[in-house]
Amino acid sequence: EVQLLESGGGLVQPGGSLRLSCAASGFRFSSYAMSWVRQAPGKGLEWLSAKSGSGDSTYYADSVKGRFTISRDNSKNTLYLQMNSLRVEDTAVYYCAKSQVPQTYYYCAMDVWGQGTTVTVSS
Amino acid sequence: DIQMTQSPSTLSASAGDRVTITCRASQSISSWLAWYQQKPGKAPKLLIYKASSVESGVPSRFSGSGSGTEFALTISSLQPDDLATYYCQQYNSYPYSFGQGTKLEIK
Repeated sequence: EVQLLESGGGLVQPGGSLRLSCAASGFRFSSYAMSWVRQAPGKGLEWLSAKSGSGDSTYYADSVKGRFTISRDNSKNTLYLQMNSLRVEDTAVYYCAKSQVPQTYYYCAMDVWGQGTTVTVSS
Repeated sequence: DIQMTQSPSTLSASAGDRVTITCRASQSISSWLAWYQQKPGKAPKLLIYKASSVESGVPSRFSGSGSGTEFALTISSLQPDDLATYYCQQYNSYPYSFGQGTKLEIK
């Protein structure tokens, strides 16, 4: 069974840092681009970042560019999101999601999602 | 960047009704559009990809249409289990973007 399991969320003060992890199982992790998507309380979905299967291509939303860094360790089947300079408005549930089609970084919907991990930024 | 606009924001319908949610892109995205269903407290679930292709395991009452800038998600006969918020998403170009969501309520 294809599964994604996020971890690393928690309470952090404004200006602080946090690293989220997404452990993947049930598929050839290195063949698929992966994304992070978040959802603020009571709000809609916001795409944040994606990384190609090989790790050589990366994209970010403007809202997190320069503060968040996506990375992956294909030997550990794990995706990461390093979040620095956190703001109150970064409070959200953070999801990782798998691209639908292997061996491509483009034109892919997200067909498998984790259950999410909650990040709260507050003093 | 491509902006996605959904309508309506909220939709109330009865079981058995045919319902349609629309999504408009700020520029042409060909058919690179997905629809997701999100039930309360759950992760999103892929329903439709490439504008009109139904994901495996999704009930046949769900269908998608459109291309270019205008798209629609149709539920042919609404079921109580369809209570959820529905999002469109373009994946024509990065940064990917979602519509603001349509909350579907069952009368």
